This record gives sequence, structure tokens and C-alpha cells, in this order.
Amino acid sequence: SQTIHQWPATLVQPVGSPLSLECTVEGTSNPNLYWYRQAAGRGLQLLFYSVGIGQISSEVPQNLSASRPQDRQFILSSKKLLLSDSGFYLCAWSWGVGDTQYFGPGTRLTVL
Amino acid sequence: GQQVMQIPQYQHVQEGEDFTTYCNSSTTLSNIQWYKQRPGGHPVFLIQLVKSGEVKKQKRLTFQFGEAKKNSSLHITATQTTDVGTYFCAGRNRDDKIIFGKGTRLHILP
Repeated sequence: SQTIHQWPATLVQPVGSPLSLECTVEGTSNPNLYWYRQAAGRGLQLLFYSVGIGQISSEVPQNLSASRPQDRQFILSSKKLLLSDSGFYLCAWSWGVGDTQYFGPGTRLTVL
Repeated sequence: GQQVMQIPQYQHVQEGEDFTTYCNSSTTLSNIQWYKQRPGGHPVFLIQLVKSGEVKKQKRLTFQFGEAKKNSSLHITATQTTDVGTYFCAGRNRDDKIIFGKGTRLHILP
């Protein structure tokens, strides 16, 4: 069976500090991978998606970036965090584009 | 761009009452998916509807896909406290992109 991991589970960072969130998927190969952000009590905002190693599509311009160094690893980064970067970051995978998405447990980021 | 609108944004119901959330797309969808996110948790896939007019049931939950494949609904009969959470619809468009609605947050009054 497939599992998806995210870490850390929670993170408190000062404004201007760097960020690195990691997501890994087990039990499948060449998954589509997604990063979403969810503000408190709000909907899901798609940030990035990837259909393969080194292939990243950005949905929203911002100070975040994503990388996929390995088939089942997806990383979300920032060089300098803003207060507005606070939120719940969710990684998800799917078999193919447009298929059912399976979400990881998420990372709660608070930027102070 | 294409949007998937979901209403209502919030719903408070007495335990035992029914609940319905509606999803509407500006364009025809290939399929529609429904997810549930418990408070503090992550979205979990519930079901996918593909055919025009399709109706699927999961215990007290009934899912419908409209004849024109532009709208969908989720109906919960006799809500229970375990139904608390946010329900998201997500439509697959012609470009095979999944577009999430903003969700309906369900609160159950005991």
C-alpha cells in the first residue's frame, strides 16, 4: 500500500528565515506530487505540482519554490519567510494528472 | 479562470438533522471528487463520480453528479457528531486539472 509522509509536523519560524518542508511517498513510482497551502479555516490553494523528477509547475507566484530531487521526494522551500507564509502546508500524490489525490498529514507553519 | 463554487461556506445543524452541500462548475467536468477534512486533520478522499446523473451512497452519505456534469451535491442524512468537518468537492476539467471548491464547514450542535 502507499503512504505519504511529511515533516516536520509543526514549525515556528521567524520572519526572514529560510524554510524547507519535505514530503515523501512510499509504495508507488512516478507519482504526481502536489503542494497546497491552507490558511486557517480556508480552502486549499495549489502552490506547485510535479509530474516527474525535476519537473515543477508553479500555480501561484510567491516567495516559495519547490523541487523534486528524487521520484518520490518533493520539497517546498523559501529563502526568506514572510508573515503571510503562515498556514497549513499539505503534500498530496496521485497516480496521474486529474486522478484522486491522497494527502499527507500536513505541516503547520507559524511565521512570527 | 475556471472555478468550482461550493455553497454554503458554513453550516450549523442540530444533531440528527440533514445536511447538504452543493458544488457548481462554470464548465463541464470529467469527474467530480469529494473529500472530507476533520478539524486539525488533512483532506481524505471520499468518492468519485464520473457519469452524468450518477448517484452513489456511502451509508448516510449520498453523492450526486448533475446531468450536465457541471454540478454535484453531497447529502448527509441524520447527521452525527462524527460528521463534523469540512467537505470539499474537486472537479476534473478538460485539461485534466483538479480544481477544489473552497469547502463547506459543517458544525454539529448537540
